[in-house]
Amino acid sequence: GAVVSQHPSRVICKSGTSVKIECRSLDFQATTMFWYRQFPKQSLMLMATSNEGSKATYEQGVEKDKFLINHASLTLSTLTVTSAHPEDSSFYICSARRNRGETQYFGPGTRLLVL
Amino acid sequence: AQKITQTQPGMFVQEKEAVTLDCTYDTSDPSYGLFWYKQPSSGEMIFLIYQGSYDQQNATEGRYSLNFQKARKSANLVISASQLGDSAMYFCAMREPNSGNTPLVFGKGTRLSVIA
Repeated sequence: GAVVSQHPSRVICKSGTSVKIECRSLDFQATTMFWYRQFPKQSLMLMATSNEGSKATYEQGVEKDKFLINHASLTLSTLTVTSAHPEDSSFYICSARRNRGETQYFGPGTRLLVL
Repeated sequence: AQKITQTQPGMFVQEKEAVTLDCTYDTSDPSYGLFWYKQPSSGEMIFLIYQGSYDQQNATEGRYSLNFQKARKSANLVISASQLGDSAMYFCAMREPNSGNTPLVFGKGTRLSVIA
């Protein structure tokens, strides 16, 4: 299967700071990347869908100014949590797909803790 | 409305026994894909098995098989000969339409515990 990496795997930050999470497709070009959020003992909730070179499509209830998504290339998407607060503490997982109809490959996730 | 329903929050199974994890789905699209993922405590999402809505036969991948009952809109995962390493969260997911650019939507998951 295809490989998707995320960096960092864990991050602890102070309230009010911004955190950037990178998602890379290592051995394929991803036309679409997805960002999910998972709270403890809960399911994955889709935050946004991003296509290379265009603006991300955010799910209802997800603040686009708080969660900035950039999909600048076919192998890299970034999620920036701006002015993070403790309630933003969560597990963030990215997923990448080469083409329509193909399998979604998941990154290993990033655990964010905001103090 | 819930697209994917997993009614079992937790399941226990004896090592070497088979276990069935339930999943029902809701869609009016004739083309859809059903997926099962395993999430161990490390958090990574491990793809297990896939079933397309037009597939005639139930999908199988090693010890995993998908019991696809289209009329009932169910896609239960069967794990045969359970191993201790199978202990994890299991998520059922759907993509509709199957050929589109839509993301996977996940159920709430079932925590499986394999007992020695």
